[in-house]
Amino acid sequence: SQQGEEDPQALSIQEGENATMNCSYKTSINNLQWYRQNSGRGLVHLILIRSNEREKHSGRLRVTLDTSKKSSSLLITASRAADTASYFCATENSGNTPLVFGKGTRLSVIA
Amino acid sequence: SQTIHQWPATLVQPVGSPLSLECTVEGTSNPNLYWYRQAAGRGLQLLFYSVGIGQISSEVPQNLSASRPQDRQFILSSKKLLLSDSGFYLCAIYPDRNYGYTFGSGTRLTVV
Repeated sequence: SQQGEEDPQALSIQEGENATMNCSYKTSINNLQWYRQNSGRGLVHLILIRSNEREKHSGRLRVTLDTSKKSSSLLITASRAADTASYFCATENSGNTPLVFGKGTRLSVIA
Repeated sequence: SQTIHQWPATLVQPVGSPLSLECTVEGTSNPNLYWYRQAAGRGLQLLFYSVGIGQISSEVPQNLSASRPQDRQFILSSKKLLLSDSGFYLCAIYPDRNYGYTFGSGTRLTVV
């Protein structure tokens, strides 16, 4: 079953602009993670934010988490053509339970 | 660092034929192992996961099965493939709870 729902489904921006993707989920979580997938490839982990954290940064990535609204956002600043990919959020609900992935946002960065 | 090997990269199989996809892991021991499937343009659906040798949890009842004969080997099988089994199959491990999953490069299966 899918818990995370990304919004928008697709996003097209110009190089240099910022890209914001949102994720909503339904149940309590231990952590929320963001992944990137280039076409036809496996997923690559980007960032993990725990339920007691509100914001996290990694390079040009900024992730926020609002547990009261059960939502998260991924901001990519100063986007590059190489950022073109699909981005997925995934939630870990408790203990050893597997990650539940959303359907993803397809980002296109136009040079 | 951990490495996941998945093969083959692509596979075209006729309906009713058997399937065996293998995933092997290097660089870690006793990992949690996962099989996900991704339909074209869609998210990931968890199929099976394993927390130890011989321990398999199934998330989706279907004609697929999984086995973990060795600590770092995870096999996905089917006795008779259906058209609906087509998809992109991904193996993953969870080596560090402070980080995230590491995925293999995937197998694209087309059932014809």
